[in-house]
Amino acid sequence: DQQVKQNSPSLSVQEGRISILNCDYTNSMFDYFLWYKKYPAEGPTFLISISSIKDKNEDGRFTVFLNKSAKHLSLHIVPSQPGDSAVYFCAASVGGSNYKLTFGKGTLLTVNP
Amino acid sequence: DGGITQSPKYLFRKEGQNVTLSCEQNLNHDAMYWYRQDPGQGLRLIYYSQIVNDFQKGDIAEGYSVSREKKESFPLTVTSAQKNPTAFYLCASTKGTGGKAFFGQGTRLTVV
Repeated sequence: DQQVKQNSPSLSVQEGRISILNCDYTNSMFDYFLWYKKYPAEGPTFLISISSIKDKNEDGRFTVFLNKSAKHLSLHIVPSQPGDSAVYFCAASVGGSNYKLTFGKGTLLTVNP
Repeated sequence: DGGITQSPKYLFRKEGQNVTLSCEQNLNHDAMYWYRQDPGQGLRLIYYSQIVNDFQKGDIAEGYSVSREKKESFPLTVTSAQKNPTAFYLCASTKGTGGKAFFGQGTRLTVV
């Protein structure tokens, strides 16, 4: 039973345009959401997070939106750069057991020059 | 610099052998985790430890064992009971609330 779903295995965008990566979840107990970026043969690096008490969080070119009623979150990257090309993982946790992250399968983003 | 160190980066094991993957952190984090990544898959939790001398099974603990004798160290043993051990293994740690985990660079294990 996949509790965090990233339904698009890959996404390709042009440099300078917006990249939108989507994530859906089924567990209504999740109250903290994170995005990680991963290059091949490396560990994931933390990108941005959002608590369920918010619906938006921004950090530079990266913005995460949370729609709790739809159990959906998205990561927007504006403008996209070739260095953003990587696999992006969506992850979620339950506050009471905040040590455990549940990950989606990831979306491979390719930003073309 | 603080961080998480996994070693070795690449590891080859013969079938039927146990092998131990090392994970050390100097971030003073309380909790540590082991994840496994397979091609086209997300990260799946093997074991986690919230405090020294205590650990819990994750979603795919069968065939694996861990220990947490020191706060800084959380080694993972892949035993011969693990049916399909070839994978990329990631160690992570967290300080407190929010689940923001820091990851090591990973160990790629190949069974030959």
